[in-house]
Amino acid sequence: AQTVTQSQPEMSVQEAETVTLSCTYDTSESDYYLFWYKQPPSRQMILVIRQEAYKQQNATENRFSVNFQKAAKSFSLKISDSQLGDAAMYFCASMDSNYQLIWGAGTKLIIKP
Amino acid sequence: NAGVTQTPKFRVLKTGQSMTLLCAQDMNHEYMYWYRQDPGMGLRLIHYSVGEGTTAKGEVPDGYNVSRLKKQNFLLGLESAAPSQTSVYFCASRYTSNYGYTFGSGTRLTVV
Repeated sequence: AQTVTQSQPEMSVQEAETVTLSCTYDTSESDYYLFWYKQPPSRQMILVIRQEAYKQQNATENRFSVNFQKAAKSFSLKISDSQLGDAAMYFCASMDSNYQLIWGAGTKLIIKP
Repeated sequence: NAGVTQTPKFRVLKTGQSMTLLCAQDMNHEYMYWYRQDPGMGLRLIHYSVGEGTTAKGEVPDGYNVSRLKKQNFLLGLESAAPSQTSVYFCASRYTSNYGYTFGSGTRLTVV
């Protein structure tokens, strides 16, 4: 069975600085997708970024980028120029061949003004 | 706006009571899912449906039942609520062979 591990229950960063959230996963699939979701206090699950495993190039969405290390099964999220609105729970998830999402336990990101 | 709508948003139940959570989507998605979210844990799949009239068990199905009589609706039932079912419940949907999940805003259920 696939597993996703987020080893940082909580992270804090100064506003305008850069922070990296860690995620490792375990899968026997050869083709899969990886995701980062953001959950603000409103509870809404918001897709931040996704990565197709067959693509070597790291995905980027504005201030959000990933460091995808396929051999190491690592998928970290880098947030540049952190803003107060980035404060939220961040969840890493992998998708198996049945398109089922496997979730990590989440990392709470605190932004210090 | 198109999307996934969950009702109710909040509910308090007494142990042993029953209730039904409703999930409705207007995007003509085939797949629908019910998850629960507990502190310190990621979302866990309760049940899912691959189309109208079909349902399947997920990771934590015990104590829950589901029905998908209409394509746009996916109901989650608790027949006899227990304090262990206190959680936030999320519904999600997607197209077949598409990795784009759309989530509802969640239902916070407290069982006392």
